[in-house]
This record gives sequence, structure tokens and C-alpha cells, in this order.
Amino acid sequence: DSGVTQTPKHLITATGQRVTLRCSPRSGDLSVYWYQQSLDQGLQFLIQYYNGEERAKGNILERFSAQQFPDLHSELNLSSLELGDSALYFCASNSGWGGNSPLHFGNGTRLTVT
Amino acid sequence: GQQVMQIPQYQHVQEGEDFTTYCNSSTTLSNIQWYKQRPGGHPVFLIQLVKSGEVKKQKRLTFQFGEAKKNSSLHITATQTTDVGTYFCAGPGQGAQKLVFGQGTRLTINP
Repeated sequence: DSGVTQTPKHLITATGQRVTLRCSPRSGDLSVYWYQQSLDQGLQFLIQYYNGEERAKGNILERFSAQQFPDLHSELNLSSLELGDSALYFCASNSGWGGNSPLHFGNGTRLTVT
Repeated sequence: GQQVMQIPQYQHVQEGEDFTTYCNSSTTLSNIQWYKQRPGGHPVFLIQLVKSGEVKKQKRLTFQFGEAKKNSSLHITATQTTDVGTYFCAGPGQGAQKLVFGQGTRLTINP
């Protein structure tokens, strides 16, 4: 158990809809990262937050947004969903700063857009 | 932007054979990390290498960091069915704010 909690585990929704994915980092971790993994693909970095502030952005679509709350949990909002958004979305956290500290991943949310 | 390339993309071996995956970065890395993702699972941190030329071992797994700190390898000796999964290398992205992952090497094993 990594200590990172993601909900829901599965999400099935229709095109054009909006969903929210939730992540609670490991106790004590201030950084939260979101990654997207499409079928048989690698891990694409979306966005990073540190103690409530956005610190790095990857190739995140304008339809996607995220935030980190004062209690350090994070939410990833995906809107105007398209079939191509179907993927595994992972949240990860670490105790250090950015890419110099190992990441601890949650179990992921599998999003299916029909 | 900074890229991390990993080869091969797929590798199928007979149980007991060795396996190696290679990782190359377009820029010098302050550190490189390796992760394993079992089928249906999430990536799990294996190891971090920091020093130039560093070699670390974990039982049958040997990790190396190149002298120029731009490449790395993971070698598994005498594979077992428990080694099945995708192995990712990852290095800090520009500004070290994020971790950039290679595309991964998917290892399958014939028992």
C-alpha cells in the first residue's frame, strides 16, 4: 500500500460530460502529481501541485483542470469528455521536491468515455 | 523539452533467461529512477541512482547509471514469472519540477 488514495476506482461516462477525480497524498507529502496512461502507453505528466500551488504543467488539455486544497488532497477535473480521454489516471505524491524524490502512486482511476 | 527514451518497447523471454532494458536522456540527469508496473497495477518505485557510474543491486536486478549521467540500464538475471510487468525509467524534467517517464519496456515471460 503506497498510502496514496484515489477515488473512484472506475468511472464510465458519456462524451461531453464532466468528471472529477480525487486524490489524497501520503501523510506528510506536500506534492501531488497527475499522470495519464492510455492503453499500452507510457505515463504522460499532466500537472503538479506543491502545498496548494501549481508548480509544473505538462501537456494538459485546456478542458482539464486541477487544484490542491488546504488539506492537501487534489482533484482533477475533466470536462467536455471525448472518446480519446479514456485512460488510466494516476495520482502520485512525494515528500521531496519535484523530480529529485521518488513518487508514490495511487491505484489509479480508470476512465471510460462512451 | 527533455525526453527520456527507453528500449526495447517489448521483450519476451523464456523463464530463466536474462533481460535488459536501456534508458537514454536527451539531457544530463541529476538522478534517474526506476519503476515497475505489474499488469493491472500502478507504478511502484524500485530504485534511485544519483552518482555518475553508480551500480546498485537488488537481488537479481542490477541498475547502472552512465558516466555522463544521460543513460541507465536495468538488468535482470535469470528471470522469474514474478518479474512480469512494465519497467519504466524516469528522470527530472526541465527545472526538476516533475518526473519524466520513458515509454517503458514491457516484459513477458514464458514459463
